[in-house]
Amino acid sequence: KNEVEQSPQNLTAQEGEFITINCSYSVGISALHWLQQHPGGGIVSLFMLSSGKKKHGRLIATINIQEKHSSLHITASHPRDSAVYICAVEDYGGSQGNLIFGKGTKLSVKP
Amino acid sequence: EAGVTQFPSHSVIEKGQTVTLRCDPISGHDNLYWYRRVMGKEIKFLLHFVKESKQDESGMPNNRFLAERTGGTYSTLKVQPAELEDSGVYFCASSRGAGTTMNTEAFFGQGTRLTVV
Repeated sequence: KNEVEQSPQNLTAQEGEFITINCSYSVGISALHWLQQHPGGGIVSLFMLSSGKKKHGRLIATINIQEKHSSLHITASHPRDSAVYICAVEDYGGSQGNLIFGKGTKLSVKP
Repeated sequence: EAGVTQFPSHSVIEKGQTVTLRCDPISGHDNLYWYRRVMGKEIKFLLHFVKESKQDESGMPNNRFLAERTGGTYSTLKVQPAELEDSGVYFCASSRGAGTTMNTEAFFGQGTRLTVV
């Protein structure tokens, strides 16, 4: 069974800083998702990627299949980026829901 | 402590039939969320319960979907009548707190794979 590890667990940054959140997994996957849980509770999907890199606004997600590792970067961070960021992976030919979730990284951006 | 459990794990139904999915959150978690992942697409939020009340149901796709959480414990998500495009994996998550409170970490269930044929 795939194991998903995120680091750091908690992260505090000053507004404007460049932020990196890491996700590693143990078994080959077909895709990886980055999700954002806002203080209101609901979760939105940020990226779904299976190789390379994707960019959306100030958010960049990269994945290295060989190293079984993905990073989520936030450039020019802002207090509204404060949220919990969750990594989830899909196993190849997986059973059930196919998705295994990390524990999340709680980001707090101070003005 | 038991995690979030979902039932059934897998359901195959014919178009037009009714299916009810169940989610048992972690005991003491007031917040319960439903999400859906249609194959090959991103995960979509469906709705959020706080205890028995619907806090946000903006993600419910149409009126064929009905979610309930009587008594603020387990929740059901009924699809009636099911259509082919409803196929996917339905995830449930729970958290103790939400908003600006502490303990907002969400715990996910294993999901229910729904196949409509």
